[in-house]
Amino acid sequence: GENVEQHPSTLSVQEGDSAVIKCTYSDSASNYFPWYKQELGKRPQLIIDIRSNVGEKKDQRIAVTLNKTAKHFSLHITETQPEDSAVYFCAAPTGKLIFGQGTTLQVKP
Amino acid sequence: DGGITQSPKYLFRKEGQNVTLSCEQNLNHDAMYWYRQDPGQGLRLIYYSQIVNDFQKGDIAEGYSVSREKKESFPLTVTSAQKNPTAFYLCASSSLGGDRPLSGANVLTFGAGSRLTVL
Repeated sequence: GENVEQHPSTLSVQEGDSAVIKCTYSDSASNYFPWYKQELGKRPQLIIDIRSNVGEKKDQRIAVTLNKTAKHFSLHITETQPEDSAVYFCAAPTGKLIFGQGTTLQVKP
Repeated sequence: DGGITQSPKYLFRKEGQNVTLSCEQNLNHDAMYWYRQDPGQGLRLIYYSQIVNDFQKGDIAEGYSVSREKKESFPLTVTSAQKNPTAFYLCASSSLGGDRPLSGANVLTFGAGSRLTVL
């Protein structure tokens, strides 16, 4: 079946460093790729998304890049801060929205 | 609470009992979804509905049932047939549209979740 693979499952960085999370998908017809952030005890919230007609999108310290040929997309967080600590989920539509397994990001002060 | 309300926030169930989790939205969204969240397994889709009186199974529908009698409401029943029901359950909704209206390619708004514990 269609699936979305997300790596790494955990990521620990020092404050100020960059963090990169990668997802691969299997449905070549997918054309929308969101990233959700879930802080501890809270609901997931959309932080950035990209559609397949662009290769990169930035919003302040976060960016998403898309490689449709290789069927992968990545979340980049620069100048990480402790408040970036959370679980991050990628997703891809395959007739319904399928989520990756999640990445727990820990930013150490 | 962001336009989508789940209740109860915490629920305890004895083995063999059915329980129903409520999800209500006032966002005028056509689509609604139920996800289950377990540690290390991300968000797994249980059921989803894109129109009133219609719904489809997700990846882990066994032991669950839903109804969509109203656009605003999408309750989830965890039946006694669900062998491992202890989990965090998230309801979400989204608008439809775009070039693939049934693809789920629209922003999801999540509820605050319901944590079910089987005693």
